[in-house]
Amino acid sequence: EIVLTQSPGTLSLSPGERATLSCRASQSVSSTYLAWYQQKPGQAPRLLIYGASSRATGIPDRFSGSGSGTDFTLTISRLEPEDFAVYYCQRYGSSVTFGPGTKVDIK
Amino acid sequence: EVQLVQSGAEVKKPGESLRISCKGSGYSFTRYWISWVRQMPGKGLEWMGRIDPTDSYTNYSPSFQGHVTISADKSISTAYLQWTSLKASDTAMYYCARHWDRATWFDPWGQGTLVTVSS
Repeated sequence: EIVLTQSPGTLSLSPGERATLSCRASQSVSSTYLAWYQQKPGQAPRLLIYGASSRATGIPDRFSGSGSGTDFTLTISRLEPEDFAVYYCQRYGSSVTFGPGTKVDIK
Repeated sequence: EVQLVQSGAEVKKPGESLRISCKGSGYSFTRYWISWVRQMPGKGLEWMGRIDPTDSYTNYSPSFQGHVTISADKSISTAYLQWTSLKASDTAMYYCARHWDRATWFDPWGQGTLVTVSS
């Protein structure tokens, strides 16, 4: 089973700053099968990125995804107040796994 | 608007049975799979399994195989997650989510059903 590791566990930043979140897989993952989700307290997760780099409908262009093989990145170019949340990467395919999440909180 | 609407919060005792539901609307229910995801208090997301509502074919995560049953009734566009004997460790938020194919991203998600198991 593919294991996903996310770093850092917590990222403390100020509004307007750039956030870089990492997702590392225990073995190579086709970029076709990598997604990112945002979850705010008390809410269901929301799809941000699929296929490693394609933004979901309605997602602002300050969110971008990149990577291949075992290393993937979610970048938020300029943090808005509503972006402080937990972010999960997901590998979907014959089985599904989630990373443990990265919490982006206000510095 | 595509929506998945889940049944309300449940409080149960250990050993009791439970079935929670997830009703799809705004799309053709049989054209998409439904997965279930567990989130224990303060923890991350765990995929439990998925169902193709067309023929009720299911896949389970090894961690949940034999502990829960996923089913669907396509006539009423509803998927279910069922336990026959709940444990305190089943206390969690449970989400359903739609995906276009067996192996695609999840979008959208239901609002979640909180299950509390306590004596």
